[in-house]
Amino acid sequence: ETGVTQSPTHLIKTRGQQVTLRCSSQSGHNTVSWYQQALGQGPQFIFQYYREEENGRGNFPPRFSGLQFPNYSSELNVNALELDDSALYLCASSSQGPNTEAFFGQGTRLTVV
Amino acid sequence: GEDVEQSLFLSVREGDSSVINCTYTDSSSTYLYWYKQEPGAGLQLLTYIFSNMDMKQDQRLTVLLNKKDKHLSLRIADTQTGDSAIYFCAGGGTDKLIFGTGTRLQVFP
Repeated sequence: ETGVTQSPTHLIKTRGQQVTLRCSSQSGHNTVSWYQQALGQGPQFIFQYYREEENGRGNFPPRFSGLQFPNYSSELNVNALELDDSALYLCASSSQGPNTEAFFGQGTRLTVV
Repeated sequence: GEDVEQSLFLSVREGDSSVINCTYTDSSSTYLYWYKQEPGAGLQLLTYIFSNMDMKQDQRLTVLLNKKDKHLSLRIADTQTGDSAIYFCAGGGTDKLIFGTGTRLQVFP
């Protein structure tokens, strides 16, 4: 196990609703990254948080937003859910620096109906 | 833009070696990674290689990097049924990782 925990594990939402996904980073890690993995695809980078600030963003619309807390845990919020938002959402924690490894949680499976 | 490509499927007999290939376009990646994903699970880091290395061996795993051709491979020796999974290569530095589409490895007895 990596020490990165995500909640909930599964979630079903209706189109137009809002959702919050949570991630607890591994002890000693100050950086959290979020990825979206659609069925049959590789993970796509959403954004990264480092010391409570956004530190890079992928090609996702503003309705995808996040937070990082002082204990380095993180939330991913998605507003106005669309059917195409159905995916596995993965959180990865790491330490910033040149010799770094990203450890992934088990993911949250979001289904939008 | 950055792109990472992998073949979609590989089938091998138990006990044989598996070789999973990956090509990438972004030569600025500091590290190149191999992750394993079992059904319904997250990503497990298998191994990584620094961009200034040519080869790295870690027990049954051997990673080869050809920087000139931007080609990365993962060799699994003595492949077991428990190795059946999807394998992703990824490039990146200290920020985002760029993943390939994954190679599904099926191991048959």
